[in-house]
Amino acid sequence: RKEVEQDPGPFNVPEGATVAFNCTYSNSASQSFFWYRQDCRKEPKLLMSVYSSGNEDGRFTAQLNRASQYISLLIRDSKLSDSATYLCVVMYNTDKLIFGTGTRLQVFP
Amino acid sequence: DAGVIQSPRHEVTEMGQEVTLRCKPISGHDYLFWYRQTMMRGLELLIYFNNNVPIDDSGMPEDRFSAKMPNASFSTLKIQPSEPRDSAVYFCASNSQGAGQPQHFGDGTRLSIL
Repeated sequence: RKEVEQDPGPFNVPEGATVAFNCTYSNSASQSFFWYRQDCRKEPKLLMSVYSSGNEDGRFTAQLNRASQYISLLIRDSKLSDSATYLCVVMYNTDKLIFGTGTRLQVFP
Repeated sequence: DAGVIQSPRHEVTEMGQEVTLRCKPISGHDYLFWYRQTMMRGLELLIYFNNNVPIDDSGMPEDRFSAKMPNASFSTLKIQPSEPRDSAVYFCASNSQGAGQPQHFGDGTRLSIL
């Protein structure tokens, strides 16, 4: 079983739609959680950290469920520019990040 | 400010050849990470350094891979001899204070081994 699992998608949604991605992790000792975004043929970039109480950054909301060991990312009012691959990232050993293989989102007009 | 700089951007070479990938981290960052990304396996951590010292190389696939960081502003990842299955995008990333802080990635090196 992979340490971090994501549905690869693609998720094809129209502009303005709300879309949610889930990610599960296997190591209960995981300490920190992040969502990174990666555009086609580009480098990954940090989108947001995920806090236990859940957190929001504009149209993006991240949630953490430690009991069930999953993380979610909700995108409201999708824009064309949101089209990218979203990487779920877990840290369970100091300084070491484990990346999921990513979920691809395509927003169409 | 200059970001993480990797070279070359693209490398195509024949199997058996030695390949050297280079990385210059952001000035002041004391952590440097090397990753490999493929469609099948996603982004995998190969090795990381703290203050130029290798901390965890458990992700290095085999002895053909080696990495060095002779000083705070330069690191290399070497593959010798290279094989077709090494074809991937190799990213270097750096940050301060470890993985819990945002990692800044370079543009990556697209490596193709024929």
